[in-house]
Amino acid sequence: GAGVSQSPSNKVTEKGKDVELRCDPISGHTALYWYRQSLGQGLEFLIYFQGNSAPDKSGLPSDRFSAERTGGSVSTLTIQRTQQEDSAVYLCASSFGLARGNEQFFGPGTRLTVL
Amino acid sequence: AQSVTQLDSQVPVFEEAPVELRCNYSSSVSVYLFWHVQYPNQGLQLLLKYLSGSTLVKGINGFEAEFNKSQTSFHLRKPSVHISDTAEYFCAVSFLSQGAQKLVFGQGTRLTINP
Repeated sequence: GAGVSQSPSNKVTEKGKDVELRCDPISGHTALYWYRQSLGQGLEFLIYFQGNSAPDKSGLPSDRFSAERTGGSVSTLTIQRTQQEDSAVYLCASSFGLARGNEQFFGPGTRLTVL
Repeated sequence: AQSVTQLDSQVPVFEEAPVELRCNYSSSVSVYLFWHVQYPNQGLQLLLKYLSGSTLVKGINGFEAEFNKSQTSFHLRKPSVHISDTAEYFCAVSFLSQGAQKLVFGQGTRLTINP
């Protein structure tokens, strides 16, 4: 695939359930980011992976949120015990890093609705 | 700390009129600058970027932006807009902080083109 892909495109879940969101970055990109976009809001940084370095988790809003990146490629964002305020579009992006100005390529997003 | 301010949350414009979307940033380190566009129900696309060189940057769909270091601005312009330009526009700065490559977004400007 030529671009960043995310799955599922839409996810509806009940409050209290756990959800997993997946991101497949562009092949060869060393950096991977997760953002959250709430209705009418800008993009909120969640977490950043760069190569084999420890991830920057400074944007995660609570300990219910976690993410991993396996083999330096696919990433999974997990939200445990979902709350209604978690409803948002979750965007993933990847890049070559600052070597090319950190131009980020975005996936289409996963729209999460917590009932 | 680095920050991005988009001064207008909404900009209504008539078709074929010129438009300027304002972006100011605050940073104590060198930055790269980006404008992204998000069409309704779609992901983010890169519109244009400033990495170095000429301060006037041309992007897709007839948009351009000018980097003004003294005013710490990166305003987006188009001389004549079209209905299809209706979208949300995000300004962003990329910088290196403590070994991590950060990207900070503004809150977005919703551009509405009226016939």
